[in-house]
Amino acid sequence: GQNIDQPTEMTATEGAIVQINCTYQTSGFNGLFWYQQHAGEAPTFLSYNVLDGLEEKGRFSSFLSRSKGYSYLLLKELQMKDSASYLCAVRDSNYQLIWGAGTKLIIKP
Amino acid sequence: IAGITQAPTSQILAAGRRMTLRCTQDMRHNAMYWYRQDLGLGLRLIHYSNTAGTTGKGEVPDGYSVSRANTDDFPLTLASAVPSQTSVYFCASSDGTSGSEQFFGPGTRLTVL
Repeated sequence: GQNIDQPTEMTATEGAIVQINCTYQTSGFNGLFWYQQHAGEAPTFLSYNVLDGLEEKGRFSSFLSRSKGYSYLLLKELQMKDSASYLCAVRDSNYQLIWGAGTKLIIKP
Repeated sequence: IAGITQAPTSQILAAGRRMTLRCTQDMRHNAMYWYRQDLGLGLRLIHYSNTAGTTGKGEVPDGYSVSRANTDDFPLTLASAVPSQTSVYFCASSDGTSGSEQFFGPGTRLTVL
């Protein structure tokens, strides 16, 4: 079967750095996406990785290792507005997205 | 219209009733998707359409139907609603190219009693 695993919840301090991990087992791999979802709102796109390595975009970076079936999202200089759920999704061999349940990130002052 | 819209925002529905959730996008995206999101579970794909005139079944299609008569609209119909269809429904679209992100509508919160 297909499976995406992420921690259910994480807590971090404003101004700090947090790493959210995602491991996956899917039928095929055609890229990995990270989305942010604030409570009661729609998911919004953060990053896309298809090759191994690190993609940096401002305070957010995403890393991929295809051989390990592993990705992480790194958030630096945390702000209160970063409190949200972070969703990992893998595009499978049918080019459909398989979604993890999301990681709820709580930022404390 | 800017982006992707859904209607209604929320709805309470009696079991057994028929209901259509509407979705419209103005980005001229080829691909459109319907997901449901339930607490503790990831987004699950109900149906999708890679281009106008075609549709396909996702992970949880039973009890739902879709149509794609044109590029902009992708309605989702529940023929006879059941309580297990209580969920938040998101419509999304993408241009369908490799690496393209999906853009999501604001969602419809549906409660079936």
